[in-house]
Amino acid sequence: AQTVTQSQPEMSVQEAETVTLSCTYDTSESDYYLFWYKQPPSRQMILVIRQEAYKQQNATENRFSVNFQKAAKSFSLKISDSQLGDAAMYFCAYSMVLGGEYGNKLVFGAGTILRVKS
Amino acid sequence: DTGVSQNPRHKITKRGQNVTFRCDPISEHNRLYWYRQTLGQGPEFLTYFQNEAQLEKSRLLSDRFSAERPKGSFSTLEIQRTEQGDSAMYLCASSLDEFTGSHQPQHFGDGTRLSIL
Repeated sequence: AQTVTQSQPEMSVQEAETVTLSCTYDTSESDYYLFWYKQPPSRQMILVIRQEAYKQQNATENRFSVNFQKAAKSFSLKISDSQLGDAAMYFCAYSMVLGGEYGNKLVFGAGTILRVKS
Repeated sequence: DTGVSQNPRHKITKRGQNVTFRCDPISEHNRLYWYRQTLGQGPEFLTYFQNEAQLEKSRLLSDRFSAERPKGSFSTLEIQRTEQGDSAMYLCASSLDEFTGSHQPQHFGDGTRLSIL
C-alpha cells in the first residue's frame, strides 16, 4: 500500500522569506502523481502544485516549487517570498496513474501547519 | 463554475442516530470521491463514483456507511447508528474523466463537519 509521510507537524516563516515543507512517500509503482494541497482554516482544500513521476523536471507554479527526488522518494515544497495568505495546513498527496474507469484516489500525509509571521 | 457544494456544513447529532450528507459536484464532472478527515490528520479515501457506478470502496466504509449517486449527478453519504468515532469532516471532491491520459485535478467542497454527542 502507498503511504505518505510529513514529518513536520508545524513550520513558521517570516513574511517575504522562504520555507521548505518536507514529504516522503512509499510506493512500488514507477509512474504516479504527487501533489501539494493547501487547506486554509475552515476553507476548501485547493491544489497548489502537481508533479508527474515520469517527468524529471521539477514543477513550479509562481512562488511555489517542488524538489522531486524519485530515487529517495522525497517530494518537498518550497514557498518563496512567503505571504500572510500562505498560512494554512499543507498536505502532500499521492495518486496512482490508472486508465479507464479507475479513479485516482488521493493518499494524503498528516499535514504541516504553516504559520507566517509579519 | 460554481464549485463543489456540500450540505449541511455542520451536523450535530446524538450517538445512534442516522445522518445523511449531500454533495453536488461541478456539473460536468463524471467522477466523485468521498473522503473523511479527522482532527489533525489528512483526508482518507472512502469511496469513488464514475457517473452513477460506485467503483471503489475503502475498508473504512463499514456496513453502517452507504453512498449513492443515483443519476450520476449529486451524491449522498449516509451513516446509520452513528458512533463517537464517526465524528470527522466529510469531504467530497469531483473531477473530469481521464480517458485522454492527462491528469484531471480533484476539486474539493467545504466539507460537512459531523459531531456526535
